[in-house]
Amino acid sequence: DVKVTQSSRYLVKRTGEKVFLECVQDMDHENMFWYRQDPGLGLRLIYFSYDVKMKEKGDIPEGYSVSREKKERFSLILESASTNQTSMYLCASLNGATGLTTDTQYFGPGTRLTVL
Amino acid sequence: AQSVAQPEDQVNVAEGNPLTVKCTYSVSGNPYLFWYVQYPNRGLQFLLKYITGDNLVKGSYGFEAEFNKSQTSFHLKKPSALVSDSALYFCAVRDMRYSGTYKYIFGTGTRLKVLA
Repeated sequence: DVKVTQSSRYLVKRTGEKVFLECVQDMDHENMFWYRQDPGLGLRLIYFSYDVKMKEKGDIPEGYSVSREKKERFSLILESASTNQTSMYLCASLNGATGLTTDTQYFGPGTRLTVL
Repeated sequence: AQSVAQPEDQVNVAEGNPLTVKCTYSVSGNPYLFWYVQYPNRGLQFLLKYITGDNLVKGSYGFEAEFNKSQTSFHLKKPSALVSDSALYFCAVRDMRYSGTYKYIFGTGTRLKVLA
């Protein structure tokens, strides 16, 4: 079974702090994603990556950056946390290899971030 | 515009009764459609998908979904609901504007409550 782990289940930070959210997958997937989940808004894509050091902006990248130095790890960075970034953050991975993809995303358990 | 809509925030159904969770989509070209489920304090889990072929797709936990091209719908169904089916359900569509990359658009989610 694919396992996607996230570094923290709950995180409390102060406004202006730099915040790192880590995600690790163990299935050698090329594609990884960061979403935020808010009530009434569903999941919104922040950034995604299709290979090491490759990244693409999603629908709401403002205030965020990402890092993918190793294939298994995808980090989300809040450069200067603000209260409107209080949310549930979900990481996902997907096997995008040509001929092998199932178009199925595997999600981590989520990190509930509160910015005070 | 590529989009997916879940018109109901919440669906209540009695245990043992059939359930339907609605989803409509708007995409250019042939749609790749998905259903995911989120149990309390968990990440999303894949339920089923429609890529091509038979319009009735069967998935995990006894769920199925019917692809209807003329109505641009992909409703999730189960013949007999269980209390344990109570969860948050998300419909998603692959954004085919981005050829060669994997990007998905999620609906806002529907909370299913199965009453004993």
